[in-house]
Amino acid sequence: GENVEQHPSTLSVQEGDSAVIKCTYSDSASNYFPWYKQELGKRPQLIIDIRSNVGEKKDQRIAVTLNKTAKHFSLHITETQPEDSAVYFCATQGAQKLVFGQGTRLTINP
Amino acid sequence: NAGVTQTPKFQVLKTGQSMTLQCAQDMNHNSMYWYRQDPGMGLRLIYYSASEGTTDKGEVPNGYNVSRLNKREFSLRLESAAPSQTSVYFCASRQNAGRNTGELFFGEGSRLTVL
Repeated sequence: GENVEQHPSTLSVQEGDSAVIKCTYSDSASNYFPWYKQELGKRPQLIIDIRSNVGEKKDQRIAVTLNKTAKHFSLHITETQPEDSAVYFCATQGAQKLVFGQGTRLTINP
Repeated sequence: NAGVTQTPKFQVLKTGQSMTLQCAQDMNHNSMYWYRQDPGMGLRLIYYSASEGTTDKGEVPNGYNVSRLNKREFSLRLESAAPSQTSVYFCASRQNAGRNTGELFFGEGSRLTVL
């Protein structure tokens, strides 16, 4: 079945630096790759997504890159701020459901 | 427009007790999902309903049952709760289940503790 590996599981960066989270997937038919952010005690919420006909997508300080050949995609956050501290989940679209990675706990140090 | 609403938000059960988690969405979505979230395990799919009248097993269905009551409502039942079912449960919905569908909307979560 579909499988998504996400790393690192924890990431700590200085405020203002960049953060990168990577995911690899197994289902070559996957065509939709979202990233969700979950703040402490809150529900996961979509922050950015990319479809397989696009290699990169940006939205202000966040960007996602996709390499379909290698079956991996990454989330990039630049100029990190304290409010970026959260757990981030990648996901891939299987035949009828999203399959999530294990999550990355990102901590921004002042 | 409340989005996805799930109840209760908190519940404590004793081993062997039963309970039902309720979920409703007001976005006219066809597909609904139940996930559980455990530390270090991400979001694991329990059951889903791609459309009204259908339900399918996800990654971790054992010990659970679901009912798609109508297009709006999708409930999750624990018939005989076990400590291993202590978790945070999220209901979610999206327009459709297929590969061309976008955002998954989550409820606020239900924290269940089984003693």
